[in-house]
Amino acid sequence: DADVTQTPRNRITKTGKRIMLECSQTKGHDRMYWYRQDPGLGLRLIYYSFDVKDINKGEISDGYSVSRQAQAKFSLSLESAIPNQTALYFCATSDAGTGLARGNEQFFGPGTRLTVL
Amino acid sequence: KQEVTQIPAALSVPEGENLVLNCSFTDSAIYNLQWFRQDPGKGLTSLLLIQSSQREQTSGRLNASLDKSSGRSTLYIAASQPGDSATYLCAVGGNTPLVFGKGTRLSVIA
Repeated sequence: DADVTQTPRNRITKTGKRIMLECSQTKGHDRMYWYRQDPGLGLRLIYYSFDVKDINKGEISDGYSVSRQAQAKFSLSLESAIPNQTALYFCATSDAGTGLARGNEQFFGPGTRLTVL
Repeated sequence: KQEVTQIPAALSVPEGENLVLNCSFTDSAIYNLQWFRQDPGKGLTSLLLIQSSQREQTSGRLNASLDKSSGRSTLYIAASQPGDSATYLCAVGGNTPLVFGKGTRLSVIA
């Protein structure tokens, strides 16, 4: 089974609808992240969480919210979807690292392709 | 604000060639640098992670180097194969989560 799973894998919705994307991990990592990827713009960070009680905004958080329900689960919501939120969304995880290894390897889920009409 | 640049944006080489992909970053105060591979429409696969205290990492035909002082990293691919065709992304980790370059799209022609 995959270590980082995302549901749904594909979603088509209409402008104004509320959408939730879900991410689960079995790696036992404390840190989880949500990114979006757009052609020509690369990967951009939406939100991240370093533990269950910690939520931080990333580069492009407007129009999005998140919930860290447990160590293993991190959900991304679009409260009122708009067409420019059409993108490929990725969840990622990492552990905290110790000492000199302050930042450890990130592992990505397979992505959710979201289309907002 | 950290900025990561990858040049060239696209590269096409014949099978068997050795090649180098480049990554540069503006802020040398980093904790690590990570190279990823992405196939079209797929997720990112981690290839190599270099901590800030390290100069290079190797995995099979891949070798990544890091020069923090000059803000540069290279990914060397030996004896390229058509299966290496993909987009390669580098990402830099510091006090904030990873900042990504836009990637180099590699095509290895049989």
